[in-house]
Parts: sequence; structure tokens; C-alpha cells
Amino acid sequence: DGGITQSPKYLFRKEGQNVTLSCEQNLNHDAMYWYRQDPGQGLRLIYYSQIVNDFQKGDIAEGYSVSREKKESFPLTVTSAQKNPTAFYLCASSIVSLSDTQYFGPGTRLTVL
Amino acid sequence: GQQLNQSPQSMFIQEGEDVSMNCTSSSIFNTWLWYKQEPGEGPVLLIALYKAGELTSNGRLTAQFGITRKDSFLNISASIPSDVGIYFCAGQLGSGGSNYKLTFGKGTLLTVNP
Repeated sequence: DGGITQSPKYLFRKEGQNVTLSCEQNLNHDAMYWYRQDPGQGLRLIYYSQIVNDFQKGDIAEGYSVSREKKESFPLTVTSAQKNPTAFYLCASSIVSLSDTQYFGPGTRLTVL
Repeated sequence: GQQLNQSPQSMFIQEGEDVSMNCTSSSIFNTWLWYKQEPGEGPVLLIALYKAGELTSNGRLTAQFGITRKDSFLNISASIPSDVGIYFCAGQLGSGGSNYKLTFGKGTLLTVNP
């Protein structure tokens, strides 16, 4: 099946630890995105990448880092510098074209204790 | 930056009723998207609108792209219990550079009583 997978579904970490969230897609999409969702809020863009080896900061990039070494993969690292890391993290991908509809993965819920 | 105002924030309706929700923007978008999110899952695309004035249906769902390009609405007819979830609107300026970034509304929480 084609789609976007995120792992793990639930993740617990101690404060001060870095943690990496996985996102893989087999849709052959060029662009990938990371969003953060907090209760009662819309999705806020953390980072995005239109092409391998290139990525751009979104609206709330502080305390996060990404890499795009392969077209299929766009891992997100939540660093200890992120002041409020507990949230639901969503990965998305799209074809870079005139109609860039984004499709989302199932999400990872990160809880920092 | 661009902001989307989505209303209502929540709705409690009886099964069989029709539902209407809308989004308004302070600036123009060239694409409007409507997503549904169920608890603990990622948003699923319901309808995409690409042209001002466009009216598009997907089963019991109908969405319209406002003429001014600053608003959109979503209607659900004859609601059923599985319609429960959070509905998000999203606007996109267009392709090229950072213009394909989506701006999301804060969502409408829909509860359907059987």
C-alpha cells in the first residue's frame, strides 16, 4: 500500500533528551513537511523540504532539526532546546506542482516527562 | 502572517441534521482544502478547491471556494455518527517557493448524537 508512515505512535522521553521522530513515504512525493498540533489548535509548520538535501524553516522551527538525505525519509529531531515539546507531531507529503495537496501520516504523540 | 478564522469552534447536532462550517481569511488564497481528523490520527483530505466560485461535492459533503478568494465553507448533509471528528480548513497561496505552505484554521469539533 502507498502511504506515509510515522513511528512510533507514542513516544515518551525524559526532559533534556533529544528524540527523533521517523517519517517515511512511498508515494514518490517530492515535498515533505512536519507539523505540530496542540489541543484546540490548528497545525503549525515546523520544517519543510521540497527536494532531497534541502529544507526550510517553517513558522516554529526553534528547538527542532531535520534532515532529508533520501526522498522517502524526513526525520524530525526534537532537541532539548525545545521548551514545550509535548505535542502531537504530524508528517505530510505532496507532489510539488500547481496543486500541491498535502497528505498526512498517522502522527506521533510525544510526551516529555 | 496569514490567519484563518474557522467557525464555529464546536457543534453538537442530532443524527440526520445538516451541518455548515466556514473559514475566512485576512488575505487571498488560491487553493482551499478541507480535512477531517479523528482522535489520535492524521488529517484526511476531504475536498480540494482550486478556483474561485468552485462548488465541489464528495458524497454528503459539499464545499465552496468563495468568490473573493478569502473564504470557504463546508456543508455536511444528513449527518451520521461516523461524521464525528475535527474538521480543518486550510488555505494555500500557490506553488513556488514557500507559497505552497498551508495555513490551517483551528478546527471545528463536530459531535453527532445518535
